[in-house]
Amino acid sequence: EVQLVESGGGLVQPGGSLRLSCAASGFTFSSYAMNWVRQAPGKGLEWVSAISGSGGTTYYADSVKGRFTISRDNSKNTLHLQMNSLRADDTAVYYCAKGSPSTVTTRYYFEYWGQGTLVTVSS
Amino acid sequence: DIQMTQSPSSLSASVGDRVTITCRASQVISNSLAWYQQKPGKAPKLLLYAASRLESGVPSRFSGSGSGTDYTLTISSLQPEDFATYFCQQYYSTPPFTFGPGTKVDIK
Repeated sequence: EVQLVESGGGLVQPGGSLRLSCAASGFTFSSYAMNWVRQAPGKGLEWVSAISGSGGTTYYADSVKGRFTISRDNSKNTLHLQMNSLRADDTAVYYCAKGSPSTVTTRYYFEYWGQGTLVTVSS
Repeated sequence: DIQMTQSPSSLSASVGDRVTITCRASQVISNSLAWYQQKPGKAPKLLLYAASRLESGVPSRFSGSGSGTDYTLTISSLQPEDFATYFCQQYYSTPPFTFGPGTKVDIK
């Protein structure tokens, strides 16, 4: 059974930093792209960042480029999101999502989602 | 970037009703479309991918169709557990992966 469990959310002041983690199990972690998707309170879904199975390729939404860094530790089946220079509009539930099997590197949907972790940016 | 729109933004329906939600992409996405269901306080759940392929375990009352830029999600007979918000997502031209704004289905 695939499981994705996020952690690391919390309250942080504007300009601060936070590191999210996602512990994965139930599949061959290194074989799949992984993603972070966020949802602001009462709003829709926004893709944030993706990383290839090897970790060698990363992608970011324009809204977080230069501030967030995605990484993965395939030896520990763990995904991370380092968030710096946080702003109020980064307040959201952050979901970890597994990419579906795909023959095209970035052409996949989100097969499984974690339960999410809430990040609140406020003074 | 490909923009996604959905209509309606919300609808009220009764148990047993047939419900149709439309998703439109700003350019051709060649059936690279997924549908998700989200209930309050829960993570999204994959329902369909490749526009019409039902994810394992999803009831057959859910179906998808469409081509080019226009796609639909149909619930043939709405059940109490189907009251939720539904999102479409294109994965043809990525990144960025883009979602529709959602359609909330509530009880009439």
